[in-house]
Amino acid sequence: RKEVEQDPGPFNVPEGATVAFNCTYSNSASQSFFWYRQDCRKEPKLLMSVYSSGNEDGRFTAQLNRASQYISLLIRDSKLSDSATYLCVVEDMRSGSARQLTFGSGTQLTVLP
Amino acid sequence: SQTIHQWPATLVQPVGSPLSLECTVEGTSNPNLYWYRQAAGRGLQLLFYSVGIGQISSEVPQNLSASRPQDRQFILSSKKLLLSDSGFYLCAYTGRGETQYFGPGTRLLVL
Repeated sequence: RKEVEQDPGPFNVPEGATVAFNCTYSNSASQSFFWYRQDCRKEPKLLMSVYSSGNEDGRFTAQLNRASQYISLLIRDSKLSDSATYLCVVEDMRSGSARQLTFGSGTQLTVLP
Repeated sequence: SQTIHQWPATLVQPVGSPLSLECTVEGTSNPNLYWYRQAAGRGLQLLFYSVGIGQISSEVPQNLSASRPQDRQFILSSKKLLLSDSGFYLCAYTGRGETQYFGPGTRLLVL
């Protein structure tokens, strides 16, 4: 079983649509959770952190369910510029205080005009 | 502000040749540094991380090595490249209480 699993997609949605991505993780001791965005042939960039209480940043809402080891990302009113690969990321502490991120393989989103 | 640099941006190397990729960070001291590889169509794989000068931890057995000769410099090397070493190599850093930020990456093609 992969440590972090995501639906690879692709998700092709029209502008203005609402789209949701799901992710599950295997390590119940994982401490922090994030969504990163990766544009084609570019480095991943932090989109938002994910908190147990849920958090919202504009059109983006992230949710965490620790009991189910499940993370979600909701994008409302999709824009063409939202087209990218969305990476679910789980963080654990390693020896010597190094933070280790484990990445899902990503979910590809294409927003169509 | 903090920035992270990687070079070269792209590299085409023959099988069996050596490799040296460099990563430097500005605007922070004593960062944790990381090397990742992303193969085509796949997720990121952590290769090495470092919590200080001369301290390197390897995550997977492989044909590569890493070194940290200075606080804000992280180098990825190989003595003899394999075809399977092709990929997108990303350096990342964290300071205290922060998540990871990535450099622009190096695309390596081994022929």
